[in-house]
Amino acid sequence: EAGVAQSPRYKIIEKRQSVAFWCNPISGHATLYWYQQILGQGPKLLIQFQNNGVVDDSQLPKDRFSAERLKGVDSTLKIQPAKLEDSAVYLCASSPSGARWSYNEQFFGPGTRLTVL
Amino acid sequence: AQSVSQHNHHVILSEAASLELGCNYSYGGTVNLFWYVQYPGQHLQLLLKYFSGDPLVKGIKGFEAEFIKSKFSFNLRKPSVQWSDTAEYFCAVSDDYKLSFGAGTTVTVRA
Repeated sequence: EAGVAQSPRYKIIEKRQSVAFWCNPISGHATLYWYQQILGQGPKLLIQFQNNGVVDDSQLPKDRFSAERLKGVDSTLKIQPAKLEDSAVYLCASSPSGARWSYNEQFFGPGTRLTVL
Repeated sequence: AQSVSQHNHHVILSEAASLELGCNYSYGGTVNLFWYVQYPGQHLQLLLKYFSGDPLVKGIKGFEAEFIKSKFSFNLRKPSVQWSDTAEYFCAVSDDYKLSFGAGTTVTVRA
């Protein structure tokens, strides 16, 4: 079974530039998550999709971050404009659908390491 | 919002030593509990999980964890570690809405 794919793996940009990350979840997984992991901290949920609808985006800085999941499969996360404090690893995860999603194991991708200079 | 605390930032031990990593959470309602592990150069992956029933749960690679509801704790244990257990370990707690992670504990096992 193929895992969660993410690209790019690394990205270096100047502050105020824009950047986009792509995620392809495991086939058939209805739920998709984007996390931000700052060095020395655990992953923090940014946004959760169920199919192509947003379940939770309460911790997404909506003035600069946006995410979409068209057709309920692939997803992109965009930052515009980037700030120095956005330097982090951005993780995508997916899990199967189910009545109680919180029981489900999340499968993580390799992450994208973003450095903002 | 719930919070998850992991007691140790970095643990260094020798092969065959016993390992215990502490995890406490703040949420008072019904929770589901997880330990995830990230080996060097690899993805985060599930080590074990607890939803209900026997509070002592067993996971992969000889790990186990005990849920103590009265202490809001879910500590991870392994009786005898190997060099290959060198990794970062994350405790995570979910209510019906969100999975929250602790800051992680880096475990270094010396051969």
